[in-house]
Amino acid sequence: EIVMTQSPVTLSVSLGERATLSCRASQSISRNLAWYQHRPGQTPRLLIYGASTRATGIPARFSGSGSGTEFTLTISSLQSEDFAVYYCQQYNDWPLYTFGQGTKLEIK
Amino acid sequence: QVQVVQSGAEVKKPGASVKVSCTASGYTFTNYYFHWVRQAHGQKPEWMGFINPNGGSTGYSEKFQGRLTMTRDTSTSTVYMELNYLRSGDTATYYCARSQSSGWDSILAYWGQGTLVTVSS
Repeated sequence: EIVMTQSPVTLSVSLGERATLSCRASQSISRNLAWYQHRPGQTPRLLIYGASTRATGIPARFSGSGSGTEFTLTISSLQSEDFAVYYCQQYNDWPLYTFGQGTKLEIK
Repeated sequence: QVQVVQSGAEVKKPGASVKVSCTASGYTFTNYYFHWVRQAHGQKPEWMGFINPNGGSTGYSEKFQGRLTMTRDTSTSTVYMELNYLRSGDTATYYCARSQSSGWDSILAYWGQGTLVTVSS
């Protein structure tokens, strides 16, 4: 099983500032990585797939990078609606796609 | 627009079975795979398996082999997830999610609202 490790567990950032979230895979997953946003009481939302491609309707302030085992999600200028839990997921290792434990992004 | 709506919360006793439904609308049902993911409170999400509504082929995580069955009803654009021999560790919110692209795709683009399944004696 590929283990996905996200850091930090909690990230405190001020409105308008940049947030950088990390995700590490225990072995190479090429670029088969997605990022999801989960706000309390809402359905999870696909943000990024293929490590760096924004999903439909996702604002340009969200960007993804990385390949192999190291990946980053960057939110360039935080808005109030961005405070949520973010999960990375690898879809390289069928049939066992795995998620990270999440990073909670909170207002500083 | 694409909508995915799941059935309501369930409370089950250990050893029982649960069947959760997921009804889709706004697109051609048979063109996109569905995946099921569950998340226990305070835990990371866990991928369970997929179903291809076109033909009904499935693939399951080894963890659930023998206990998990996914089916579909094309007449109502609904997929189902049935988990048998429930135990307390199965208490979680269960999500269905439609794939992003037609054909085989494991990127989860449209999610249902989640169904809380509680297993308790």
